Amino acid sequence: QVQLQESGPGLVKPSQTLSLTCTVSGGSISSASYYWTWIRQPAGKGLEWIGRVYTSGSTNYNPSLKSRVTISVDTSKNQFSLKLSSVTAADTAVYYCARDRPLTGDSTLYWYFDLWGRGTLVTVSS
Amino acid sequence: DIQMTQSPSSLSASVGDRVAISCRASQSISGYLNWYQQKPGKAPKLLIYAASGLQSGVPSRFSGSGSGTDFTLTISSLQPEDFATYYCQQSYSTPWTFGQGTKVEIK
Repeated sequence: QVQLQESGPGLVKPSQTLSLTCTVSGGSISSASYYWTWIRQPAGKGLEWIGRVYTSGSTNYNPSLKSRVTISVDTSKNQFSLKLSSVTAADTAVYYCARDRPLTGDSTLYWYFDLWGRGTLVTVSS
Repeated sequence: DIQMTQSPSSLSASVGDRVAISCRASQSISGYLNWYQQKPGKAPKLLIYAASGLQSGVPSRFSGSGSGTDFTLTISSLQPEDFATYYCQQSYSTPWTFGQGTKVEIK
């Protein structure tokens, strides 16, 4: 079955760029009308949606992070990536990649996260 | 952004209890509401999509209801493996947003 796995440095210095990759295995990242998403969770806190990318490269970002975020997709490697620039301690969190799946109904699309990676902790510290 | 507010923030219940968790949106989101379960150290798991659709493999004791601004996740008979934190999430408009979570603890 399809699985997602995050990878990247667990420690990033303040003001630098956080870079993570999510590898999709067990299926093609281009196989259906999915968006591929990044979500984060600071320790002991709730979930924050960062943004998503379609296999065409089309993106949606959270306005609260938009000026610092880039999400891209590499279909040849079956991967998608997150870059978050100018990080501070407030960006310390577990970062999850997930699949944003549409359900068609009544001339509309219902989106939901049906698959998640295990998550990777990124700490911002000097 | 659409704000999602869950209540209560935490609750204590016993095995076999019926449990209801509420989620309220700051504006109408029709049926664009999902529920997730998260256990410590694990990724969230989808339970309910589009307000009332039961995700494949999820036990039938979980159910979702509501439309507009008010939604409910109900666990008909709480099992030991259900002790976790539950999140609602709206997919009406981006940015997708989550509720703050409801922690279900053992009484």
